[in-house]
Amino acid sequence: AQSVTQPDIHITVSEGASLELRCNYSYGATPYLFWYVQSPGQGLQLLLKYFSGDTLVQGIKGFEAEFKRSQSSFNLRKPSVHWSDAAEYFCAVVHGSSNTGKLIFGQGTTLQVKP
Amino acid sequence: NAGVTQTPKFQVLKTGQSMTLQCAQDMNHNSMYWYRQDPGMGLRLIYYSASEGTTDKGEVPNGYNVSRLNKREFSLRLESAAPSQTSVYFCASSETPPGTGVNSGANVLTFGAGSRLTVL
Repeated sequence: AQSVTQPDIHITVSEGASLELRCNYSYGATPYLFWYVQSPGQGLQLLLKYFSGDTLVQGIKGFEAEFKRSQSSFNLRKPSVHWSDAAEYFCAVVHGSSNTGKLIFGQGTTLQVKP
Repeated sequence: NAGVTQTPKFQVLKTGQSMTLQCAQDMNHNSMYWYRQDPGMGLRLIYYSASEGTTDKGEVPNGYNVSRLNKREFSLRLESAAPSQTSVYFCASSETPPGTGVNSGANVLTFGAGSRLTVL
């Protein structure tokens, strides 16, 4: 079955430093992959998604992610973190067929930003 | 647009009580979902409805029932609440299931603000 793993539960970076959040998926074919962000007390918001084509995907708020089939990874990156990026980040994969598929989330990574 | 509206926002129940979480969307979306969020577990899918008139089990359906009342509304019912159901519940909707629509925005989930449920 399709699944997604986020190895890092909690990450702390200094403001202005670069960021990489890891995501590994388990899937036979080309997966549909998403990154969502959840600010404290809020629902989830889409950052970016990958379906096909260019393996480097640009998202909102200066985030990007790279799909690497050989490593079964879809890591999220940002060159310079801002204090407002402190949040919980979820990687997700579509499970099932295209017409009835559902979104399965990883465990999440909490990002703390130091001043 | 209100987007996805969940009620209630907070609820405290005693073990064995029943309740229904309501969810309504005003975006004319076809697909709707119920997730629960627990620390260290991420979001886990309880039930979903790919289109009006259909419902399917997700990862953790035991102890829950759902009703897709119409295209707008998708309710989640706890018949006999247990402490293990203490969680934050999120409703979401999308125009099409997440595996369709390729690079359009139709397959992106819009989430409600969540309902925090405590079972004593």
